[in-house]
Amino acid sequence: QVHLVQSGAEVKKPGASVKVSCKASGYTFRNHLMHWVRQAPGQRLEWMGWINVGNGDTKYSRNLQDRVSITKDTSASTTYMELSNLRSEDTAVYYCARSGYFVNDHWGQGTLVTVSS
Amino acid sequence: DIQMTQSPSSLSASVGDRVTITCRASQRVSTYLNWYQQKPGKTPKLLIHGPSNFRSEVPSRFSGNGSGTEFTLTIRSLQPDDFATYYCQQTFSSLWTFGQGTKVEIK
Repeated sequence: QVHLVQSGAEVKKPGASVKVSCKASGYTFRNHLMHWVRQAPGQRLEWMGWINVGNGDTKYSRNLQDRVSITKDTSASTTYMELSNLRSEDTAVYYCARSGYFVNDHWGQGTLVTVSS
Repeated sequence: DIQMTQSPSSLSASVGDRVTITCRASQRVSTYLNWYQQKPGKTPKLLIHGPSNFRSEVPSRFSGNGSGTEFTLTIRSLQPDDFATYYCQQTFSSLWTFGQGTKVEIK
């Protein structure tokens, strides 16, 4: 059974960085892309980017490409999303989501990141 | 980026009603269109992909249709468990995008 388990909630000050982890189990880790999606309070889902876990290629949303970085540790079956230069509008729940065939078929439980001075 | 626009943004309906949500893409996305259901405080759940293939655990009252730039999600007979927010998502481009969501509320 596929499981994606994310790291715990974070509180950060404006200008800081945050790194959220997503540990996968129950499938062959390198065979699937891993995406990151965020959702600000009461707002829509916002796709952030993906990493090809097999070869390390990444793709990022144009809105965030200057501040986001998605990495992986294949030996630990874990992907990471790091967002830098945090602003109050980055307060959101951050999800990792595996992609099957052009769909996000399994999601992590979400990690709340709060940006506040 | 491909923009996805859903209509309506919200609707009120009664149990038993037929509900249709529309999703329009700013450019053609072929059939790379998925629908998700999200309840408050919960993770999004994949309902329909590609855009008319539903997962085995999804009730048959849900159906999807469309190709190119216009897509619909229909709930044939709304049930109490269906009150939620629904999102479309295009995966045609390498930059995936979601619609703004349609909140289905109880009338």
